[in-house]
Amino acid sequence: AQSVSQHNHHVILSEAASLELGCNYSYGGTVNLFWYVQYPGQHLQLLLKYFSGDPLVKGIKGFEAEFIKSKFSFNLRKPSVQWSDTAEYFCAVTTDNNAGNMLTFGGGTRLMVKP
Amino acid sequence: KAGVTQTPRYLIKTRGQQVTLSCSPISGHRSVSWYQQTPGQGLQFLFEYFSETQRNKGNFPGRFSGRQFSNSRSEMNVSTLELGDSALYLCASSRGLAGGKETQYFGPGTRLLVL
Repeated sequence: AQSVSQHNHHVILSEAASLELGCNYSYGGTVNLFWYVQYPGQHLQLLLKYFSGDPLVKGIKGFEAEFIKSKFSFNLRKPSVQWSDTAEYFCAVTTDNNAGNMLTFGGGTRLMVKP
Repeated sequence: KAGVTQTPRYLIKTRGQQVTLSCSPISGHRSVSWYQQTPGQGLQFLFEYFSETQRNKGNFPGRFSGRQFSNSRSEMNVSTLELGDSALYLCASSRGLAGGKETQYFGPGTRLLVL
């Protein structure tokens, strides 16, 4: 079965600092990769996704992620964070071994941005 | 377009009782998935329904069950509640295309407290 690891559980940054959140998955077949964000008191919402093609994908609010197949990684980046980026970030995958849309999530990373 | 709605938003039950949670997907979406979110276990997949049929199932005991109606609305039932069932239960909807390449849209969740 597939699994997803997010090694940074809590990250604290000052505004304008650069962000990189790690995500590694364990699965030998084809994966589809997602980053979701949960702002305080709000729904989980999609930041970006990767299915195929250019391994560098851009999402909303200036976020981007790079798929490195050899490292089984899909790290999330943002060059300059804002206080409004304070949230919990989840990496997730779906795989080619089931017919539907079963998302396997990582444990999440809580980001706090200090003003 | 209205988002995914879940009712009730908050629920308090006692051990041994049963509970039914409801989810109305985005109009036109035929797939509904359920997830359990807890501080200890994170986000875990419960099951997915598509066209009134369970298409995927996670590793939860048989006390957790669900169903989907012809209008795509879904219900989740937990029987014989245990303290460990206290969690935020999230519902997500998508069009239901196979292959795991869809964005899932999440509802606000139902927070269940078992006393």
